[in-house]
Amino acid sequence: GAGVSQTPSNKVTEKGKYVELRCDPISGHTALYWYRQSLGQGPEFLIYFQGTGAADDSGLPNDRFFAVRPEGSVSTLKIQRTERGDSAVYLCASSPSGQNTEAFFGQGTRLTVV
Amino acid sequence: TQLLEQSPQFLSIQEGENLTVYCNSSSVFSSLQWYRQEPGEGPVLLVTVVTGGEVKKLKRLTFQFGDARKDSSLHITAAQPGDTGLYLCAGAPSPGAGSYQLTFGKGTKLSVIP
Repeated sequence: GAGVSQTPSNKVTEKGKYVELRCDPISGHTALYWYRQSLGQGPEFLIYFQGTGAADDSGLPNDRFFAVRPEGSVSTLKIQRTERGDSAVYLCASSPSGQNTEAFFGQGTRLTVV
Repeated sequence: TQLLEQSPQFLSIQEGENLTVYCNSSSVFSSLQWYRQEPGEGPVLLVTVVTGGEVKKLKRLTFQFGDARKDSSLHITAAQPGDTGLYLCAGAPSPGAGSYQLTFGKGTKLSVIP
């Protein structure tokens, strides 16, 4: 596609539920990143994929968070047992290669845990 | 942990005025990027500066990277209402473990009043 696409745009879920957030990167981009942006803050790094593998998952806050990229294109961020503190905008970005850190961002998924 | 501090946090100016936004850190970055983010959208890359002392111009926007590659500034000449948005700086650390994650500042929220 022309840009990074994220679905859904908005997600409201109840505390304790499981959610999946999807990211379609720019075609041909091998590097994919997930960031989280809380209100009034800049994006915070969560995880970086190079191809199918998670090259750096040091930003995942705890083991309730998990992400996959099974075919090296689409990625899914999975959050188990959601908590109100997980409410934020989840941003996905891609770049042509891991060495090029100029990232192209999607519009984000706004997650609200009630 | 590398931190980027942006100042001011909020800025409201009249159309036609000049302004400067600052991005400072105690850490050295291999490159620094500036993004602009509008409500409900992901950040959009404006420029990347790589070399200490580098100056880049993008129409009415002038970006400078400090000699020691620890700080940067964004200067806007004759601001327009269309410049309104959240300006984020992001640093890429020197190559190494986790070197592809960007560290973002909290951003400067700019409002240009017609």
